[in-house]
Amino acid sequence: QKEVEQNSGPLSVPEGAIASLNCTYSDRGSQSFFWYRQYSGKSPELIMFIYSNGDKEDGRFTAQLNKASQYVSLLIRDSQPSDSATYLCAVNNNDMRFGAGTRLTVKP
Amino acid sequence: EAQVTQNPRYLITVTGKKLTVTCSQNMNHEYMSWYRQDPGLGLRQIYYSMNVEVTDKGDVPEGYKVSRKEKRNFPLILESPSPNQTSLYFCASSFMTSGVNEQYFGPGTRLTVT
Repeated sequence: QKEVEQNSGPLSVPEGAIASLNCTYSDRGSQSFFWYRQYSGKSPELIMFIYSNGDKEDGRFTAQLNKASQYVSLLIRDSQPSDSATYLCAVNNNDMRFGAGTRLTVKP
Repeated sequence: EAQVTQNPRYLITVTGKKLTVTCSQNMNHEYMSWYRQDPGLGLRQIYYSMNVEVTDKGDVPEGYKVSRKEKRNFPLILESPSPNQTSLYFCASSFMTSGVNEQYFGPGTRLTVT
């Protein structure tokens, strides 16, 4: 069974801090990796994707991938209350598999 | 405006009454997919399609059917809905470029089967 695991949280950080979200996956054939943000009652929206080992930065967001450890993470720098949402990790090998999500709360 | 649309957005129906949820995208995407989202279980893929007339099962295909006769449309069919199919359904689409699959999601359809 191909699995994508995330800590469900809730993860609470103060405004301005770094939020660190983690994800592990079981399918070694996975080719690309995604982070989605989902506000309550809304559809997921893509934040970042990564498909090579290492770091990828986009504004306040950094995705990190380690295929040997089957681990992908998302760092959010200078967290804002508007970042409060559920963050979904997704892994692609033709079929897409999502983790159950980590709920993040950024406190003012 | 580039978008994925789903209809209806909300649906309450009874057990056994066939229904179709439509999904359409205007971005000329090859890949389309259906998911259901349930509390504590996250998003689970029902079916996906890599192009016209090409469909494949995802994680939870039982009780569902799909078709892909045109590139822009990917309807989800429940031939005989049951209460355990009560869920929030999302359609998504993307290009298939170099193995990367950045999916864009529709607004969701909340289905209740009584």
